[in-house]
Amino acid sequence: NAGVTQTPKFQVLKTGQSMTLQCAQDMNHNSMYWYRQDPGMGLRLIYYSASEGTTDKGEVPNGYNVSRLNKREFSLRLESAAPSQTSVYFCASSHHRGPNTGELFFGEGSRLTVL
Amino acid sequence: QQQVKQSPQSLIVQKGGISIINCAYENTAFDYFPWYQQFPGKGPALLIAIRPDVSEKKEGRFTISFNKSAKQFSLHIMDSQPGDSATYFCAAILSGGYQKVTFGTGTKLQVIP
Repeated sequence: NAGVTQTPKFQVLKTGQSMTLQCAQDMNHNSMYWYRQDPGMGLRLIYYSASEGTTDKGEVPNGYNVSRLNKREFSLRLESAAPSQTSVYFCASSHHRGPNTGELFFGEGSRLTVL
Repeated sequence: QQQVKQSPQSLIVQKGGISIINCAYENTAFDYFPWYQQFPGKGPALLIAIRPDVSEKKEGRFTISFNKSAKQFSLHIMDSQPGDSATYFCAAILSGGYQKVTFGTGTKLQVIP
């Protein structure tokens, strides 16, 4: 039972390069999320997808785009990477509703460095 | 804006001691308060959670205390163990059509032998 799988785990980019972080979940969850984690800042929501076919901006969406490819997959794209986007990125998923309200299931993170 | 304030930023506790992490929130519409535990190199995982109509919830050595009037809640880890060394995040949730989770800034706990 894989849960939430993120790829790649590590990536180094040069300023201006583009890349896509991939995320897939096998728990049949409706909702998926992308967070970034920075020291002293906690987890900040970049984008979320409440259900297949919908996406919406979170707290820090600038410089990112997302695609909810199907119910399982939710990708995050950096079109023109900047050093300020150096961070650890986490994908998460959750039941839209239900007895486990509030439980997010996280992947292991993707560590991105932009030089 | 930081809607959930967490303190302290770091905490060192001796083995067997009590670890206490505090959080305060602003939005009275929040209706669910989970705590997440994160080990180095891993994603956060749900540890324990509480609803605002309950003043305390205990699961093993972990207890959440909730003060609705003060808009504060805290995590107590009794008999802290080195294996509890991790970063802890409080969070607050607005339920309904979409579960929007607002996280605190995290507390790095180190339990020393």
